[in-house]
Amino acid sequence: DAKTTQPPSMDCAEGRAANLPCNHSTISGNEYVYWYRQIHSQGPQYIIHGLKNNETNEMASLIITEDRKSSTLILPHATLRDTAVYYCINSGTYKYIFGTGTRLKVLA
Amino acid sequence: GAVVSQHPSWVICKSGTSVKIECRSLDFQATTMFWYRQFPKQSLMLMATSNEGSKATYEQGVEKDKFLINHASLTLSTLTVTSAHPEDSSFYICSASTAERGTTEQFFGPGTRLTVL
Repeated sequence: DAKTTQPPSMDCAEGRAANLPCNHSTISGNEYVYWYRQIHSQGPQYIIHGLKNNETNEMASLIITEDRKSSTLILPHATLRDTAVYYCINSGTYKYIFGTGTRLKVLA
Repeated sequence: GAVVSQHPSWVICKSGTSVKIECRSLDFQATTMFWYRQFPKQSLMLMATSNEGSKATYEQGVEKDKFLINHASLTLSTLTVTSAHPEDSSFYICSASTAERGTTEQFFGPGTRLTVL
């Protein structure tokens, strides 16, 4: 069973920030939090990952709570091309278990 | 960097035939490769994990004799669906990870859509 839970769907207006939450209350100390997204009929695309600290890259920011039981992926200025299913995964080994993800729809 | 390719991108075959799907890491050595299956409107389901030169480890409920995995080199893994049936029609995705980066990040291929008639 997946170790993360996410809301099934979210809408976001184009140009606004999209904040996608993830609950990983059973995360253990050596497990990273990974975020991927999957655009229809394509393989998942890596977005960002972190262990304890907040992270930022050219695509997104990752905010991890101090107790590490939850995280939020932030797309600062969502575009129509960001419409996808977003998956949050925690893994300390090479094995990923995908949950159901959040279907983000960016609205014009 | 860290590009994974799959071939073919789609395939249609008759029931009872076998189909081979290739997964290649193009610019890195893949210590471990993974095979996933995804049915319409569902999430990715891990089928098996393979390390170069070793037998694959299959997830519970995945038939080893039906889904043959070979990881003969650090850049190539193959999945063969033997005696395919319509219920095997799905989107098959591979991924690869490497010890070079020091993390457990996986790099995914673009997927192969299999349709069994």
